[in-house]
Amino acid sequence: DAGITQSPRHKVTETGTPVTLRCHQTENHRYMYWYRQDPGHGLRLIHYSYGVKDTDKGEVSDGYSVSRSKTEDFLLTLESATSSQTSVYFCAISVRGDTGELFFGEGSRLTVL
Amino acid sequence: SQQGEEDPQALSIQEGENATMNCSYKTSINNLQWYRQNSGRGLVHLILIRSNEREKHSGRLRVTLDTSKKSSSLLITASRAADTASYFCATDARDDKIIFGKGTRLHILP
Repeated sequence: DAGITQSPRHKVTETGTPVTLRCHQTENHRYMYWYRQDPGHGLRLIHYSYGVKDTDKGEVSDGYSVSRSKTEDFLLTLESATSSQTSVYFCAISVRGDTGELFFGEGSRLTVL
Repeated sequence: SQQGEEDPQALSIQEGENATMNCSYKTSINNLQWYRQNSGRGLVHLILIRSNEREKHSGRLRVTLDTSKKSSSLLITASRAADTASYFCATDARDDKIIFGKGTRLHILP
């Protein structure tokens, strides 16, 4: 099984503060994704990566940035958190070498007060 | 806007009955996938069907794909209490993005 770890799992922060969520994989899968999940919206793609330093925007990328300096780590940063970014964030990796089956992390619950 | 839209939004059936949920999408795709999510957990991959396939089976799951109608269905036969979960379709629209729908909440009644 693919190993994927998200950290932190829970975070409470205040409006205007920067927040970084980390996604770490134990294998060398090329594609990694960040999604947010909110009631009534399902999962929405924020950003994704198709290799080291190769990233692109998803459906809801405003207010978020990402970095991938190593194959195993994909970081999601909220430069200045807002209450609308309160959500559960999921990282996923594509385990079939292309845009196929995704394996998900357990999620990071972020609350912005 | 989201590529896939599931229908119905919520479904309650008796244990042992079959459950059918549908997914419609907007653009051409490479493949379509179905995922399950138990409350508070990450999503789990169920099945993938490629654009050149029309039907696929995996255990009690049957997935169909109609590319002319841009739609897919997921059938769960002989439902069990453990099937209670949310189910999502996801499409790969040939641009590396995998886009999810809003999901169907399935509740299996004892």
